[in-house]
Amino acid sequence: NAGVMQNPRHLVRRRGQEARLRCSPMKGHSHVYWYRQLPEEGLKFMVYLQKENIIDESGMPKERFSAEFPKEGPSILRIQQVVRGDSAAYFCASSPGTGIGNGYTFGSGTRLTVV
Amino acid sequence: AQKVTQAQTEISVVEKEDVTLDCVYETRDTTYYLFWYKQPPSGELVFLIRRNSFDEQNEISGRYSWNFQKSTSSFNFTITASQVVDSAVYFCALSLFSGAGSYQLTFGKGTKLSVIP
Repeated sequence: NAGVMQNPRHLVRRRGQEARLRCSPMKGHSHVYWYRQLPEEGLKFMVYLQKENIIDESGMPKERFSAEFPKEGPSILRIQQVVRGDSAAYFCASSPGTGIGNGYTFGSGTRLTVV
Repeated sequence: AQKVTQAQTEISVVEKEDVTLDCVYETRDTTYYLFWYKQPPSGELVFLIRRNSFDEQNEISGRYSWNFQKSTSSFNFTITASQVVDSAVYFCALSLFSGAGSYQLTFGKGTKLSVIP
């Protein structure tokens, strides 16, 4: 029973390029959360999605960032025109339901480096 | 607004010593969950414990123990007889319903524990 799979594990992009981070939730999980860990900071919530719906994007930067969770396939966090400040570790977590009592399982993260 | 404070930025102990990592949280909600996660040097997030606000019973799991005190809004984590493999960054987190439809986690900034052989 595979856990939450994130790929790539490491991603290097030049300034101005696009970054696509993928997250495959655990089998049977239809809820996905994305978090960002900036250097020297704790993790910050970005967005919460259910299949085909964005439920809470209160933590997403207003520009250049978007997320989706299609009916088929992984959840994608997309960063357009990356800048050095986007360099961070991005974690996704999946859950089987809406309540926190269902628990969270985190993936191993994607480390984005913008050069 | 909710907040989690981990006042200890870094701690160093010698192997076999006991160490306590402090966590203080703030929330006006009466229903919430508290978590501890471990982030070893390899970078992944390892779940350690989840505790709901109605369960103040302390918990022990092997060398790990947790002390939840609602009166002081604290959820401290103790490692007994520390080992080098315990070296990691430890995060305390608080979860409650955001109002925008999610149970997002609010993390503290983490405590980096170094266990010296």
